[in-house]
Amino acid sequence: DAGVTQSPTHLIKTRGQQVTLRCSPKSGHDTVSWYQQALGQGPQFIFQYYEEEERQRGNFPDRFSGHQFPNYSSELNVNALLLGDSALYLCASSRAEKQYFGPGTRLTVT
Amino acid sequence: GQQVMQIPQYQHVQEGEDFTTYCNSSTTLSNIQWYKQRPGGHPVFLIQLVKSGEVKKQKRLTFQFGEAKKNSSLHITATQTTDVGTYFCAGLRGDYKLSFGAGTTVTVRA
Repeated sequence: DAGVTQSPTHLIKTRGQQVTLRCSPKSGHDTVSWYQQALGQGPQFIFQYYEEEERQRGNFPDRFSGHQFPNYSSELNVNALLLGDSALYLCASSRAEKQYFGPGTRLTVT
Repeated sequence: GQQVMQIPQYQHVQEGEDFTTYCNSSTTLSNIQWYKQRPGGHPVFLIQLVKSGEVKKQKRLTFQFGEAKKNSSLHITATQTTDVGTYFCAGLRGDYKLSFGAGTTVTVRA
């Protein structure tokens, strides 16, 4: 039984570009949450998807958007990248409240 | 908005000693979760506390949820080198937003 998977592992982008990160949830999980973790900080909640809808959103600008597909996998899109968007982006899947995190995507914006 | 504060930020422990990390929320929580993140890794779920005054033990780890459901603690006895990592508390209200503290980073002197 595969756990949560994310792709790509690492990514380098230039300011102003757009990026798409992908997440496949653990088998049987229908909810996907995205977090941004800056170096030395705790994960910050971006948004959560359930039944292909954004169920809740954290304090992130509209440049951050997402999608959940019928198979429960999810994408995180970030437009107009800023240097401050450099971070580890974590996806977590759940069926109840316990969350299983993926290995993350390390995004570097230069 | 909800804030979850954790202290101390760093904990340097002699192998075999005990230590405690504390977590405080500005608002009442429906539950609190604890995660451990090893260096270079992703957060791994440790436990969830739901009831006021709840105490749970996992081997050398003791987790407590305050009576007012606004604070929590993690106590580790007889610290081992395998305890190295960052411990995060994360509070959940009824709105699906899991708010993480900044974490306590533990290093162990052999």
